[in-house]
Parts: sequence; C-alpha cells; structure tokens
Amino acid sequence: EPEVTQTPSHQVTQMGQEVILRCVPISNHLYFYWYRQILGQKVEFLVSFYNNEISEKSEIFDDQFSVERPDGSNFTLKIRSTKLEDSAMYFCASSGERGHGNTIYFGEGSWLTVV
Amino acid sequence: AQSVAQPEDQVNVAEGNPLTVKCTYSVSGNPYLFWYVQYPNRGLQFLLKYITGDNLVKGSYGFEAEFNKSQTSFHLKKPSALVSDSALYFCAVRDGNNRLAFGKGNQVVVIP
Repeated sequence: EPEVTQTPSHQVTQMGQEVILRCVPISNHLYFYWYRQILGQKVEFLVSFYNNEISEKSEIFDDQFSVERPDGSNFTLKIRSTKLEDSAMYFCASSGERGHGNTIYFGEGSWLTVV
Repeated sequence: AQSVAQPEDQVNVAEGNPLTVKCTYSVSGNPYLFWYVQYPNRGLQFLLKYITGDNLVKGSYGFEAEFNKSQTSFHLKKPSALVSDSALYFCAVRDGNNRLAFGKGNQVVVIP
C-alpha cells in the first residue's frame, strides 16, 4: 500500500539552528500538508500546498517556517531558527483529490527536539 | 470554525468486549468526519470517514462508526476488541478546504 515517508524519524537540534524535515508524499497525490503534535496536545494543522504554492496556512506557520517542493517527489518543511516550543512531532500528509471529502494520508512523523 | 470533542481521556475494555470511542462535532454546514488511529511510535493511520449517505460507515480493521445528526455524534465502534487495538484514536472534522481539525485523542487500552 502506498505510504507517505518522512525523514528523519528523530532529530535533536540546538535552539536557533535551522532544521529541514523531509517527506515523500504518495506518488500520484497533488495536495501536501504539514501538521504537528506537541507532546500531550492535539494534532494541529500548519500548512497545505498545491500546485507549487501554499494554499492555506495556520497562525502557527509564521515567518520562521517555509515549505518547498524542490523536485517531483520531495516536500520539505524548514524551520529557520528553532525555538524550544518548536519541539513536537511533525507529520507530513498528502491527498489525491480536491474537496472536503478527500482522505488525507499521514506519514509516521518526525520527532523534533529543540534543546 | 469546525471542531470535534472527544470527552473521554482513556477507554478501558476487556478483550472480546465491544469497544466504543466517543466523538461529538460542531460544524456549520455539512460535516465531513474522520477517524484516525495512532499506534505507539507510529504515524496517524486513516480508519474511516463519513461524507454523506449511510449513517453506518465501515472502515479498516473491523472498525465502524455511526453518524448521528440529531446528537451531532460520530462514535467509533468495534464489536469485539483485540489487544492489538490498544492505541490512540483521533476524531477529526474537515475545517475549511484543506485542513483537518482534530480532537484531543482517546487512549484505548484493551485488557487481555
């Protein structure tokens, strides 16, 4: 069964450092997403991406965050200068269809620990 | 904004007994509702969704969910729980065009 893959599975970084989280969405999907889950809290939407541009972003997704699809298969989330509160599990996701009923498929997540 | 609520923190059930995980929703317009499961150290796996049509939705691993418009609920059910069903279960609702709004999750513990 096709799946979303993410790397790294776990990364520890020092505060102020840049981090890039990588994702390979399901191959025929067109819509890509990042969500995050701070330990013990809800899963939160960060950003959605379609046709090489951001289609929607949350208030969490400030200027420290950026997304990119550098080639035909990868989708990345960059955090420019990490803060302690960025420590979370980051989930990449993708979907193949447009519309409210489409299913969003998630990867296994990248644990980011900022120290 | 659309939202869902999962009122219980943890659900304990004996293996072989029916399992119910509760979810209520608050939406303006038609609800598009989803259930996901998160096994330990794993990602979110899609279980099932309600878009329209039959109120009883069947999904993966023997799970089903019942959409109840009058009670604004979308409870997840399984007739006979397995120890391997022990996991974190999330209810979610489509909020806008591209985002899902998740509940806080329910830890399910199936006791052998």
